[in-house]
Amino acid sequence: DAGVTQSPTHLIKTRGQQVTLRCSPKSGHDTVSWYQQALGQGPQFIFQYYEEEERQRGNFPDRFSGHQFPNYSSELNVNALLLGDSALYLCASSRQSYEQYFGPGTRLTVT
Amino acid sequence: EDKVVQSPLSLVVHEGDTVTLNCSYEVTNFRSLLWYKQEKKAPTFLFMLTSSGIEKKSGRLSSILDKKELFSILNITATQTGDSAVYLCCKTSYDKVIFGPGTSLSVIP
Repeated sequence: DAGVTQSPTHLIKTRGQQVTLRCSPKSGHDTVSWYQQALGQGPQFIFQYYEEEERQRGNFPDRFSGHQFPNYSSELNVNALLLGDSALYLCASSRQSYEQYFGPGTRLTVT
Repeated sequence: EDKVVQSPLSLVVHEGDTVTLNCSYEVTNFRSLLWYKQEKKAPTFLFMLTSSGIEKKSGRLSSILDKKELFSILNITATQTGDSAVYLCCKTSYDKVIFGPGTSLSVIP
């Protein structure tokens, strides 16, 4: 049984560009959450998707948007990248509870 | 502001020691308290606590929640070098998920 998978593992972008990160949830899970983790800090909640809709959102600007597909996989899009967006982006899946299982993350570097 | 506080922020112990990690939170719309271990990348799930006073145990790790005093502790007995990691505490409510900054534990031989 594959756990949560994310792609790509690493990404380097230039300030002002746009990026799309992908996540496939653990088998049987229907809820996907996205987090941003800066070095030395705890993960910061971006948003959560359930039944293809954004159900909850943290304190992130509209440059951060997402999508969930009918197969429960999800994308995180970030527009107009800033240097401060450099971080580890974690996806977590769950089945209608908060016992979340995390993917390995995507390390985004903005130069 | 709704937040989660962890202490200590870092800790160095010798193999075989017992450690207690602390997590305090604000009460707003509390749903659950979770503990994770993060070594390289993905945090791995340890415990989810929803009821006060009921200890959850897994091997040398155990955790308990006090909903009256708004805190949780994570205990690790007979520590091993493989326990070296950042331990994250996370509070969930019905509209948000908040992680603490983590406690960085280093276990030296």
